[in-house]
Amino acid sequence: NAGVMQNPRHLVRRRGQEARLRCSPMKGHSHVYWYRQLPEEGLKFMVYLQKENIIDESGMPKERFSAEFPKEGPSILRIQQVVRGDSAAYFCASSPRTGGDNEQFFGPGTRLTVL
Amino acid sequence: LAKTTQPISMDSYEGQEVNITCSHNNIATNDYITWYQQFPSQGPRFIIQGYKTKVTNEVASLFIPADRKSSTLSLPRVSLSDTAVYYCLVGDGGAGSYQLTFGKGTKLSVIP
Repeated sequence: NAGVMQNPRHLVRRRGQEARLRCSPMKGHSHVYWYRQLPEEGLKFMVYLQKENIIDESGMPKERFSAEFPKEGPSILRIQQVVRGDSAAYFCASSPRTGGDNEQFFGPGTRLTVL
Repeated sequence: LAKTTQPISMDSYEGQEVNITCSHNNIATNDYITWYQQFPSQGPRFIIQGYKTKVTNEVASLFIPADRKSSTLSLPRVSLSDTAVYYCLVGDGGAGSYQLTFGKGTKLSVIP
């Protein structure tokens, strides 16, 4: 059973460009979470999605960031007009259900560098 | 969400037992205690979870005293490959508990 897959693993963008990060959850998992990790910091929650629904986007910046989890295909985290402060590691996690007693399985992350 | 406090870093020699303590004075009745491990350039990996007393699996043990205001992750006979950052998380199973809150964690360095 393949784990959570993320691509690309590394992404370089110039200021003002768009970044698209993809996440394929583990088989059988219908809950997807995105986190951002700045250097020397812990992960910070961004958004929680189920198929075709955004459940909680309270951790997402109000502008330029969006996420989706379509009926078919991977979840996408989209960052428009990137700035240097967006440089970070972005991790996706999935779970078969939600709840504090439920383990989240993390992907290897996408490291975004904005020049 | 209960705030957690853990040491920033720890060093240990190979073969030793390592104990990492996490303080969570404001833990709520419904909160679970979960530990994750993160290797460089990888996503966090679940290690162990408990509610009270002691939990043991093939990787680690988790000790939780009766007042639950702290917990200790115990790694037996560490090896170089255990060098990683270890995060202590506290949360309940209710609404919003999917928002895992990671602090800065404890950076464990295992020395040969």
